[in-house]
Amino acid sequence: EIVLTQSPGTLSLSPGERATLSCRASQSVSSSYLAWYQQKPGQAPRLLIYDASSRATGIPDRFSGSGSGTDFTLTISRLEPEDFAVYYCQQYGTSPCTFGQGTKLEIK
Amino acid sequence: QVQLVQSGAEVKKPGASVKVSCRASGYSFTSYFMHWVRQAPGQGLEWMGIINPSDGSTSYAQKFQGRVTMTRDTSTNTVYMELSSLRSEDTAVYYCTRGYGSGSYYKSWGQGTLVTVSS
Repeated sequence: EIVLTQSPGTLSLSPGERATLSCRASQSVSSSYLAWYQQKPGQAPRLLIYDASSRATGIPDRFSGSGSGTDFTLTISRLEPEDFAVYYCQQYGTSPCTFGQGTKLEIK
Repeated sequence: QVQLVQSGAEVKKPGASVKVSCRASGYSFTSYFMHWVRQAPGQGLEWMGIINPSDGSTSYAQKFQGRVTMTRDTSTNTVYMELSSLRSEDTAVYYCTRGYGSGSYYKSWGQGTLVTVSS
């Protein structure tokens, strides 16, 4: 199965700053079938990005995804207070789908 | 609007089984696959398997083969996930989530069901 490695494990930033989260796959992700989720405590994950760069319905344009092959990036252009959460990447191009271990975005 | 409503929290002893339900509404139940994903406390997300509500066909992650059974009831638009031979490592929140195919991203999620395995 494809292993996804997210970095950094924890990212400490202030509101208004730019966040760059990385997701690296152990092998190429088929057709850029990669998604990003945000999860807050006690809540189900929330889809942000699918197909590597398509924003889900209702997601603010400060969230953007990029990448292909084995290297993918989620960028949050200007952090809002509600953006501090845990972020997961997921590949769904090869069965079984797999998730990264998560990046915790915390307030500095 | 799409809604996935799961059954309530469960406490089970090691070796027992648990059956979690997920009732779907707001869309054509048989038109979308349903996946199950779990999350142990403080840990990441783990895909368990998938059921096609149209014909009941299933596919399970190798890790859960022989211990998990996914079924559906089209009369009530409900899918079920049963996990047997429970051990402490199965303590987790179990989510149902609607997929767009056998490989899919997940836009709609249930609220999660906490299953605690403890003697």
